[in-house]
Amino acid sequence: EAGVTQSPTHLIKTRGQQATLRCSPISGHTSVYWYQQALGLGLQFLLWYDEGEERNRGNFPPRFSGRQFPNYSSELNVNALELEDSALYLCASSPALGNTGELFFGEGSRLTVL
Amino acid sequence: DQQVKQNSPSLSVQEGRISILNCDYTNSMFDYFLWYKKYPAEGPTFLISISSIKDKNEDGRFTVFLNKSAKHLSLHIVPSQPGDSAVYFCAASPNYGGSQGNLIFGKGTKLSVKP
Repeated sequence: EAGVTQSPTHLIKTRGQQATLRCSPISGHTSVYWYQQALGLGLQFLLWYDEGEERNRGNFPPRFSGRQFPNYSSELNVNALELEDSALYLCASSPALGNTGELFFGEGSRLTVL
Repeated sequence: DQQVKQNSPSLSVQEGRISILNCDYTNSMFDYFLWYKKYPAEGPTFLISISSIKDKNEDGRFTVFLNKSAKHLSLHIVPSQPGDSAVYFCAASPNYGGSQGNLIFGKGTKLSVKP
């Protein structure tokens, strides 16, 4: 069974540009979560999507947005990139029903803003 | 304001000895706790969890202890092996099987197990 897949693995952008990151959940999982891991800050919750709807949002500015598609894949968009957006962006998925809280993570997309 | 705290950024242990990783939380509404392990260049992987109705959960070499009154949990690894060297994240969920979904993570503790 394929795990959570993310693309691209690495992305380099300059300040002010936009970045788009993509995530495919495990087959059968309907919930997708996005986390940011900046240096020294652990995993910061960004967004949670389930059945195409945004269910919860972390303490990030509106230039961080995303969506979930009918096939449950998701993309994260970061507009007007700033240097401090440089981080590892992790996507995770879980089954919506009977969710024990366990999330299954992808390997992440490393975003570098120059 | 950090709701889940891992106050030790790093821990070094000799192979075969016990590793104890600690985690404190502030929100009494958390009712489910998890530990994740992360190797470099990989995503975090689930290790072990515990519900707030329990005070101990064991899985092989890994045991998690929960002290609700102290809002403290710990992960014990016995015996420690060099392959256990990784960053360990403590996470908390405000709903067990509920609808809020997102986990709240600590900053992680880097464990080094020396041969």
